Amino acid sequence: DAGVIQSPRHEVTEMGQEVTLRCKPISGHNSLFWYRQTMMRGLELLIYFNNNVPIDDSGMPEDRFSAKMPNASFSTLKIQPSEPRDSAVYFCASSIGTVNQPQHFGDGTRLSIL
Amino acid sequence: AQRVTQPEKLLSVFKGAPVELKCNYSYSGSPELFWYVQYSRQRLQLLLRHISRESIKGFTADLNKGETSFHLKKPFAQEEDSAMYYCATFQGAQKLVFGQGTRLTINP
Repeated sequence: DAGVIQSPRHEVTEMGQEVTLRCKPISGHNSLFWYRQTMMRGLELLIYFNNNVPIDDSGMPEDRFSAKMPNASFSTLKIQPSEPRDSAVYFCASSIGTVNQPQHFGDGTRLSIL
Repeated sequence: AQRVTQPEKLLSVFKGAPVELKCNYSYSGSPELFWYVQYSRQRLQLLLRHISRESIKGFTADLNKGETSFHLKKPFAQEEDSAMYYCATFQGAQKLVFGQGTRLTINP
């Protein structure tokens, strides 16, 4: 099993541009999570899905952020328009969607907005 | 709401010395607690969960309900233990909340 796969690993773009981060969860996992990691705020949950349905998006910072999960093996996190304060490492994680199961993380996408 | 607190942002010990990374939780029931580790520029990896009561890479963590703590311990630190360590618990059925993390540095 390749684990959770995220792309790209690094992204550098200018402010105002649209950014799309991608995630492929572990096969058989039906819960998917998006996190943001910064020095100031640590790890924050942005949104999570169960069976491709968004369950809790209370962590999404503002309307510039959106996430989709069109099928069980793919999810995207989009930022439009991007701002320098969005610079962070974005992690995707997946788990078997029963109660209190540990989450398995991808390698993350290091995003820099200039 | 359930949360975890890691009081130390940085911890530095010498190789071979004992290590204790502190984690306190706030929860009125029976918490589900985890330790995750993140080596330099790598993904977060699950290190321990309290219900397993196992030892991974020489680390152990015991749930102390009286002190509401779940400290991570290792009797003899090794240089490869240098990493960022996060304590985590569930807020609700699946929402994992993390502490601020402790950066552990093992000096040779």
